Amino acid sequence: DGGITQSPKYLFRKEGQNVTLSCEQNLNHDAMYWYRQDPGQGLRLIYYSQIVNDFQKGDIAEGYSVSREKKESFPLTVTSAQKNPTAFYLCASSRASGGTDTQYFGPGTRLTVL
Amino acid sequence: GNSVTQMEGPVTLSEEAFLTINCTYTATGYPSLFWYVQYPGEGLQLLLKATKADDKGSNKGFEATYRKETTSFHLEKGSVQVSDSAVYFCALSDHTGRRALTFGSGTRLQVQP
Repeated sequence: DGGITQSPKYLFRKEGQNVTLSCEQNLNHDAMYWYRQDPGQGLRLIYYSQIVNDFQKGDIAEGYSVSREKKESFPLTVTSAQKNPTAFYLCASSRASGGTDTQYFGPGTRLTVL
Repeated sequence: GNSVTQMEGPVTLSEEAFLTINCTYTATGYPSLFWYVQYPGEGLQLLLKATKADDKGSNKGFEATYRKETTSFHLEKGSVQVSDSAVYFCALSDHTGRRALTFGSGTRLQVQP
């Protein structure tokens, strides 16, 4: 089955730690995205990548970093510089970037800072 | 910049009632419009989409028509079921610039038996 996987489903972080969230897709999509969702709010774009070895900042990139070394993978690191990281993180991919192409979402990772 | 405005929830309906969730947008050019649904603790699933003016997207009894003149994409369903209880997000994707989705804040639907 083709799809997007995210791991772990739940993640707990102590203050001052960096953590990395995994996102893998086997849809052969070129574009991948990371969004953050806070309770009662819509999704906000953190980073996106239109092609391997290239990525761009979204609206709330401060305190986050990404890499895109393989087409299938787009890991997100939440650094200690992110002041309020507790949220639900969603990864998505699409065949190409924007336009009419549908974005498909993974099941999400819920990050809690202890 | 782009923006999407949805009606605030929660929307509480009885089973078999008619559903409307309003969505209006602001965008440059001619965006594509989407409705996504999120069940508790899960990611988002595409419900329907429309890519040009006057297009109607439909799926599982839900419909929405792309109205350029009113910049709207309202979601409707003639008879809701308890299983439709979820959060619904309206979103747009433009064809220029970064081309990522811009989301509304979501509308929670609760359907009572």
